[in-house]
Amino acid sequence: DTGVSQDPRHKITKRGQNVTFRCDPISEHNRLYWYRQTLGQGPEFLTYFQNEAQLEKSRLLSDRFSAERPKGSFSTLEIQRTEQGDSAMYLCASSRPGGEYGYTFGSGTRLTVV
Amino acid sequence: QQQVKQSPQSLIVQKGGISIINCAYENTAFDYFPWYQQFPGKGPALLIAIRPDVSEKKEGRFTISFNKSAKQFSLHIMDSQPGDSATYFCAASPGYSSASKIIFGSGTRLSIRP
Repeated sequence: DTGVSQDPRHKITKRGQNVTFRCDPISEHNRLYWYRQTLGQGPEFLTYFQNEAQLEKSRLLSDRFSAERPKGSFSTLEIQRTEQGDSAMYLCASSRPGGEYGYTFGSGTRLTVV
Repeated sequence: QQQVKQSPQSLIVQKGGISIINCAYENTAFDYFPWYQQFPGKGPALLIAIRPDVSEKKEGRFTISFNKSAKQFSLHIMDSQPGDSATYFCAASPGYSSASKIIFGSGTRLSIRP
């Protein structure tokens, strides 16, 4: 169990640029979640996958955001035409089937839009 | 999306004291209530969780008390230690067995004074 891995750890981008983040979940976990966390706040749900199927998207996830999980393994989160309000920590988590084990979170990708 | 309200926002406790963090929820469909601990630069980590069919769960120095009729639950940290200094999030989920998305409170920054 090597944990949930996120890449990159930090990303600084200019407003209007596109960015992509990657998440590698724990191998036996079939559910993968993306959350966004701003300073002093709790994580906010963005979307989740069961295997390769995207089962739910938050209204927070505007048309500029897209997430994929090809082949039910790693996942990518892309933000197009970034805005300063997108600056946040983007957290990925995975879980086993059944909720009793909770989520295992990665260390996150901190995005700064300048 | 303030479905889980957490208080206080920050808390300072002397070493050896009891730390108490409170949460309240509105959605009666919630049936899984985890607590997460987050250190700076890290993702949240599951600390302890409870289902509404029990009123209390204890794991080491950490205890969750649950009041279903009042829709409130709390975390007690006994014999608080400097290493417990972190941000704590209560959370709730509507689907224990289905690993549905978890909704987080806004967090409590806990500082343990030596």
